[in-house]
Amino acid sequence: EADIYQTPRYLVIGTGKKITLECSQTMGHDKMYWYQQDPGMELHLIHYSYGVNSTEKGDLSSESTVSRIRTEHFPLTLESARPSHTSQYLCASSPTGGEQPQHFGDGTRLSIL
Amino acid sequence: GQQLNQSPQSMFIQEGEDVSMNCTSSSIFNTWLWYKQDPGEGPVLLIALYKAGELTSNGRLTAQFGITRKDSFLNISASIPSDVGIYFCAGHFGNEKLTFGTGTRLTIIP
Repeated sequence: EADIYQTPRYLVIGTGKKITLECSQTMGHDKMYWYQQDPGMELHLIHYSYGVNSTEKGDLSSESTVSRIRTEHFPLTLESARPSHTSQYLCASSPTGGEQPQHFGDGTRLSIL
Repeated sequence: GQQLNQSPQSMFIQEGEDVSMNCTSSSIFNTWLWYKQDPGEGPVLLIALYKAGELTSNGRLTAQFGITRKDSFLNISASIPSDVGIYFCAGHFGNEKLTFGTGTRLTIIP
């Protein structure tokens, strides 16, 4: 089982603040992903990376940005949080090669007041 | 893009009953995955299917990769309270991104 860690688990913060959600994996996976999920709803891909210095936007438009400077680290940043950003953010990773399953972190539940 | 329809949307069953849910696609997939998500947690991989017609078990769970490559089924036998959660199917085709289903919420009635 992949070891993938997300911090913080919960974040309640005011509008206009800059936020960075952390995601790290220790399995050496090249591929990493960020999903946005409202409670009980389906997952929507917002960003993905196939390796260092590679980042792409996903299917769902998002005002967040990502960076991939190290293989194990894929942080997501919101420059100015708004109430519409309130959601759960899930990070995942998978090995390179073929159609490998993605392994997920426990998510960050973000609430913007 | 590809769409995955998952049914039923929700299920209310009694402990000990068997459960069946399925996922259908408008186009073919090469890989089918089934995940379970508990409240406040990330999805956990249950079963991965890589070949049309494949039938794979994981304890009380059994999943099948449909022969048309456009559907997949998940069965849970003799349900227990810890089976409660949301089950998601997901499909892969080539180098395209993983597509997730809409989820089936399983509730066990005491």
